[in-house]
Formats: sequence, C-alpha cells, structure tokens
Amino acid sequence: EPEVTQTPSHQVTQMGQEVILRCVPISNHLYFYWYRQILGQKVEFLVSFYNNEISEKSEIFDDQFSVERPDGSNFTLKIRSTKLEDSAMYFCASSKRGQETQYFGPGTRLLVL
Amino acid sequence: GESVGLHLPTLSVQEGDNSIINCAYSNSASDYFIWYKQESGKGPQFIIDIRSNMDKRQGQRVTVLLNKTVKHLSLQIAATQPGDSAVYFCAENPPSRDDKIIFGKGTRLHILP
Repeated sequence: EPEVTQTPSHQVTQMGQEVILRCVPISNHLYFYWYRQILGQKVEFLVSFYNNEISEKSEIFDDQFSVERPDGSNFTLKIRSTKLEDSAMYFCASSKRGQETQYFGPGTRLLVL
Repeated sequence: GESVGLHLPTLSVQEGDNSIINCAYSNSASDYFIWYKQESGKGPQFIIDIRSNMDKRQGQRVTVLLNKTVKHLSLQIAATQPGDSAVYFCAENPPSRDDKIIFGKGTRLHILP
C-alpha cells in the first residue's frame, strides 16, 4: 500500500539555523500539505500546495516558512532562522484531490535548541 | 469561527467492549468529517470519513455517526482490542476550503485488560 514518507525522522538544530524537512507524497496524489503538532497538542494546519503553488496557508506559516516541489516526487518545508517555538512534530500529507482523504506521513520531530 | 472538539481527553474501556468517542463541531455548514487514529510517535492514520449527506457510515469494526441537528459526530469501535490504544482525533474539512483539515484536541483511548 502506498505511503507518504518523510525524512529525517528526527532533526536537532540550533536556534537561528535553517532546516529543510523532506516528504515524498503518494505518487498519484496532486495535493500536498504540511501540518505541525507541538508536544501534547492537536495537529495544526500550516500550508497546502497544488499545481506548484500554495493554495492556502495558516497564520502560523509566516515568512520564515517556505515550501517547494523541487522535482516530481519530493515536497519540502524550509524553516529559515528557526526559533525555540518551532520545536514540534511536522507532518506531511497528500490527497488525490481537494476535500478528499489526506494521508499522513510518519512525521519529522524537530528540536530547536 | 471554526472549531472541532472532543468531549473527553481520555477514555478507558475494557478489552472486548465497544468504545464510543464523541466530537462536536461548531460550523453548521461543515460537510466533510474525518476520524484519525494516532499512535505514539506516529502520524495520524485515516480511519473513516463521512460527508454531510449521510448520517452513518461503517467500516471494519468502526462506525461513524453524524447528527447534523446537534452538530455532533461519534466514532464507535466494536470489540475494542489492545491495538486500538491511541489518540483519536475528529477532524473537519471546512466548507469553501478545499484543502485545510481542522483537527480537534483528541481523546486518548486506554484499553483495560
């Protein structure tokens, strides 16, 4: 069964550094998403991406965040100048179409020191 | 505003009994709801979804009920097993937003031997 995959599984970085989180969505899916989950809290939407552009973003997704689909399989989330409060699990998800089932990857645990 | 919530943060159920996890939503125009299961250290796993033109949908050992009159949905798990231990989130795909999923806070299901 196809799955969303994410790398790395864990990332530790110093405050102010840039990180890139990587995702490989399910191959025939057209919509891609990033969510985050701060420890013990609910999953929060960050951004959705379709047809090579952002289709929606939350207020969390400010100028320090960016997304890219650099090739036909990868979908990345870049966080410039990380802050302590960026520490969280980051989940990638994909769906065939909008308003259809979103399938989530296993997540990247980001720790900013 | 948009919000999806669960009534109880934790639920303990005897192994073999049925589990019922409840969720309330605030937007009466919402038309697509999803239940996710999250095991420790993993990403949300799709369980079952329901659209507003239905009031009941069944899967393998799971049933989702939707009561649009009182803006309530529930997840019923039949014959609960140890592997059902997880946090369960109800989630909503808000109307006129094709992409974003709004998650509730989650209910942790404990299975008692």
